[in-house]
Amino acid sequence: GAVVSQHPSRVICKSGTSVKIECRSLDFQATTMFWYRQFPKKSLMLMATSNEGSKATYEQGVEKDKFLINHASLTLSTLTVTSAHPEDSSFYICSASWGPNTEAFFGQGTRLTVV
Amino acid sequence: KNEVEQSPQNLTAQEGEFITINCSYSVGISALHWLQQHPGGGIVSLFMLSSGKKKHGRLIATINIQEKHSSLHITASHPRDSAVYICAVWRMEYGNKLVFGAGTILRVKS
Repeated sequence: GAVVSQHPSRVICKSGTSVKIECRSLDFQATTMFWYRQFPKKSLMLMATSNEGSKATYEQGVEKDKFLINHASLTLSTLTVTSAHPEDSSFYICSASWGPNTEAFFGQGTRLTVV
Repeated sequence: KNEVEQSPQNLTAQEGEFITINCSYSVGISALHWLQQHPGGGIVSLFMLSSGKKKHGRLIATINIQEKHSSLHITASHPRDSAVYICAVWRMEYGNKLVFGAGTILRVKS
């Protein structure tokens, strides 16, 4: 299957700082990328959908000013957690697909800890 | 009621056993994914299917669109199959969002 690379895999940051997470599709052009958050022992929660060259669509309850998403190219999307707080600590994972209803490929995930 | 229901929630098997994980959904879908998540967190797409049956190695996935049901089978299970298995569907109405089941935690003992 196609490869999606997510970086970093783990990050620890101080409260108030910003953290950027990258999601790259290595061997295909991803029209759409998705960002998810996963709480312990829970399923994935969709945060936002990003399409290359346009603004991300955020799910209800997700603060777009706090979770900045940029999808500047067909192979790269970034999620920036701004002014991070301990409650933002979580597992974040991205996925990418060619388009609607096509196979989704997932990154390795990023474990964010805010201290 | 969740739109995607999986059973069982937890499953412990002995090495070599045949394993079945079930997924039922209550909405119209265009396709269904079976995903595998290991303890480290990364997710691997095992199958995407919209009809019939697919096989890859010891893994078999089937789907019955009329009954809105899919199964994932693992033959000759091995401890390395221990993971969380997640069923996810592309909802027709949403077009471009996956809806996830809660996952099945599988532990295969040697």
